[in-house]
Amino acid sequence: GNSVTQMEGPVTLSEEAFLTINCTYTATGYPSLFWYVQYPGEGLQLLLKATKADDKGSNKGFEATYRKETTSFHLEKGSVQVSDSAVYFCAHNSGGSNYKLTFGKGTLLTVNP
Amino acid sequence: EADIYQTPRYLVIGTGKKITLECSQTMGHDKMYWYQQDPGMELHLIHYSYGVNSTEKGDLSSESTVSRIRTEHFPLTLESARPSHTSQYLCASIAGGSYTEAFFGQGTRLTVV
Repeated sequence: GNSVTQMEGPVTLSEEAFLTINCTYTATGYPSLFWYVQYPGEGLQLLLKATKADDKGSNKGFEATYRKETTSFHLEKGSVQVSDSAVYFCAHNSGGSNYKLTFGKGTLLTVNP
Repeated sequence: EADIYQTPRYLVIGTGKKITLECSQTMGHDKMYWYQQDPGMELHLIHYSYGVNSTEKGDLSSESTVSRIRTEHFPLTLESARPSHTSQYLCASIAGGSYTEAFFGQGTRLTVV
């Protein structure tokens, strides 16, 4: 079946530290992969996406590469800021006739000054 | 910026009251979703719709009901609110096509006392 497994949090970093949040998935077919971010008191916003193998999604200094061979889509940022403190969700849309997104459980990131 | 709106943002209501959470989008999306987000941040799909007059129950059983009379409108109703319904409710829509992302509203924080 479809599933997403992401690194459990919470993750606490100092400003300018390197961030990695691991994400692996199982899916039928060839899914699109997404990272969403949720700031306190808000809904989810798309952070980046990749629609095929070896694609790299990037936005606001965050990057993730679609690795079909390892079924992974790890989120990275070279230097985090306090404003990056939020919950991050990995997700996929396996497409076809199934338009339901499958989400990971979310990872809370706190960045301290 | 996503054109999907939820009202109210916050609601505190007594046990036994009937409530309707509103969700509207101006993007013409056919596919709409309701998620319940637990305190641990995990998202649970409770209802979805693939178009007018189409509604389905999601992966998590819910006592709420939904309707889809117009493409842009997907309200969620609780006939008799209970404290166990206290949660964050998120509405989302997808444009369609296998590889497009979901757009989320800002959420409704419901507290039943």
